Amino acid sequence: DSGVTQTPKHLITATGQRVTLRCSPRSGDLSVYWYQQSLDQGLQFLIQYYNGEERAKGNILERFSAQQFPDLHSELNLSSLELGDSALYFCASSPGVGTTSGEQYFGPGTRLTVT
Amino acid sequence: LAKTTQPISMDSYEGQEVNITCSHNNIATNDYITWYQQFPSQGPRFIIQGYKTKVTNEVASLFIPADRKSSTLSLPRVSLSDTAVYYCLVGGGTGFQKLVFGTGTRLLVSP
Repeated sequence: DSGVTQTPKHLITATGQRVTLRCSPRSGDLSVYWYQQSLDQGLQFLIQYYNGEERAKGNILERFSAQQFPDLHSELNLSSLELGDSALYFCASSPGVGTTSGEQYFGPGTRLTVT
Repeated sequence: LAKTTQPISMDSYEGQEVNITCSHNNIATNDYITWYQQFPSQGPRFIIQGYKTKVTNEVASLFIPADRKSSTLSLPRVSLSDTAVYYCLVGGGTGFQKLVFGTGTRLLVSP
């Protein structure tokens, strides 16, 4: 158990809909990362937050957005969903940024299925 | 932006040493190299991290040549439980860069 929690574990929704994925980092960790894992794209970095501020952006679509709240939990919002958005979405956390961002602790993931 | 490639798969036997390479020709000065292990339906788990030369911990060693365009994860005396997918991750040095995962190497350890 990494100490990172993600809800829900599974999500099934239809094209065009909007969903919110939630992540609670390990106690004391200030950085939160979001990743998408699909069969054809592998593990893709989406976005990083540190202490409430956006820190780095990866291959995140404009239909996707995220935020980190004062209590450090984070939410990833996916809208206008398409079939290709079906994937495992992982959240990870780390104590800080910079060199410590390498040792990230991953949650169990949310499996999103868009039908 | 570093682009990282790895062999798709490797086979080994219990007790052998396994070396998995990652190519990252466009690595930036501030980028670190980190390796993760992933089992099916689980999140990746940290193995080791380095910047240059050699790093060793209780489970693995990481070799990084002077030009840092590649890295090699070494797993000594693998067991069946080491069957998993291994990823290298490049980036994170300043905390502002994109993080780029490698393509992943599926390691199968047989008795």
